[in-house]
Amino acid sequence: NAGVTQTPKFQVLKTGQSMTLQCAQDMNHNSMYWYRQDPGMGLRLIYYSASEGTTDKGEVPNGYNVSRLNKREFSLRLESAAPSQTSVYFCASSYTPAGATEAFFGQGTRLTVV
Amino acid sequence: AQSVTQLGSHVSVSEGALVLLRCNYSSSVPPYLFWYVQYPNQGLQLLLKYTTGATLVKGINGFEAEFKKSETSFHLTKPSAHMSDAAEYFCAVRIGGAQKLVFGQGTRLTINP
Repeated sequence: NAGVTQTPKFQVLKTGQSMTLQCAQDMNHNSMYWYRQDPGMGLRLIYYSASEGTTDKGEVPNGYNVSRLNKREFSLRLESAAPSQTSVYFCASSYTPAGATEAFFGQGTRLTVV
Repeated sequence: AQSVTQLGSHVSVSEGALVLLRCNYSSSVPPYLFWYVQYPNQGLQLLLKYTTGATLVKGINGFEAEFKKSETSFHLTKPSAHMSDAAEYFCAVRIGGAQKLVFGQGTRLTINP
């Protein structure tokens, strides 16, 4: 089982460039999430999609856009990258968006903006 | 708003010693609580979760956590640390019907030989 797959694993961007982080899950989960991880700050939610066709802002959405392409795929786009967006990005999925359902995580994308 | 606080960004214990990682949450209603582990350069893996019922929850790799409503805590313990336990540990909370899983700041566990 692949679980949650993120591409790419590493990326270096110049300030102002754009890119899309891809995420796909094969667990038939309804909900998907994008988090960023920065030292000392834990994981902060950027955007989430509770179900196919819906997306909502999380704690730190500025500078990002998302697309829930279908039930399996949830992409994160940086339109004009800034050094403050240097981080490790994690995609996650869960069967439902609420209650005791745990989230399953991908391996992460390490992004550096220079 | 729901929040979760992990006390101590770095904990160091000797191999064979007790591991205690602290997590407190703020909520006026019973939450759903989770502990995740992150090994270097990997994603997060679920260790255990509290839903309802028994307050002592057992997880993988010998870890367990106890939900104490009166103290709004969900501390993670392991009786005897192994070198392989060195990792970063995250406490997370979801309140009722909330769609967001909120994470604490993380605690890096170091095991000394």
